[in-house]
Amino acid sequence: EIVLTQSPATLSLSPGERATLSCRASQSVSSYLAWYQQRPGQAPRLLIYDASNRATGIPARFSGSGSGTDFTLTISSLEPEDFAIYYCQQHINWPLTFGGGTKVEIK
Amino acid sequence: EVQLVESGGGLVQPGGSLRLSCVASGFTFSRYSMNWVRQAPGKGLEWVSYISTGSSLIEYAESVAGRFTISRDNAKNSLYLQMNSLRDEDTAVYYCARRDSTGNQDHWGQGTLVTVSS
Repeated sequence: EIVLTQSPATLSLSPGERATLSCRASQSVSSYLAWYQQRPGQAPRLLIYDASNRATGIPARFSGSGSGTDFTLTISSLEPEDFAIYYCQQHINWPLTFGGGTKVEIK
Repeated sequence: EVQLVESGGGLVQPGGSLRLSCVASGFTFSRYSMNWVRQAPGKGLEWVSYISTGSSLIEYAESVAGRFTISRDNAKNSLYLQMNSLRDEDTAVYYCARRDSTGNQDHWGQGTLVTVSS
């Protein structure tokens, strides 16, 4: 099973600041990595697929990078609605696995 | 508009059974493979099961293999999860999610809560 480790667990930032979230895989997942956003009480939403492609309707302030084992999700300037939990997920191998999540909270 | 609506959750005793359903609309259901993903209270996301468009390929997480059965009825635009021998640790919100052509979950339902407790 591929283990995804996200860091930090919590990121305390102010609106307008830049957020940098990390996801590290226990073995290479090539570019088969996605990022999801989950707001309180809501279902997850696909943000980034194949490591660096924004999903339909996702604002340009969200960007993804990386390949192999190290990946980054960047939010260039935090909007109030961006304070949420973010998960990475790999789909190169079964079982599909998710990272433990990074909570982006208001400082 | 793509919609996925889960139902069938509820309170069940340990060792009991439940059948979850997910009804799809707004897209051609038979053309998409599907997943079940769950989230225990206050915890992260855990993939549960996958089914291909024609049900020829099915996968399960180790934690549910042998107890849960995924199925689909393309004529009814419906996905199912039969859950047997339920344990306390199966308590979670269960989401159905559409798997798109890139292999990612591009649409999710709002979830149905399963509580296993005596």
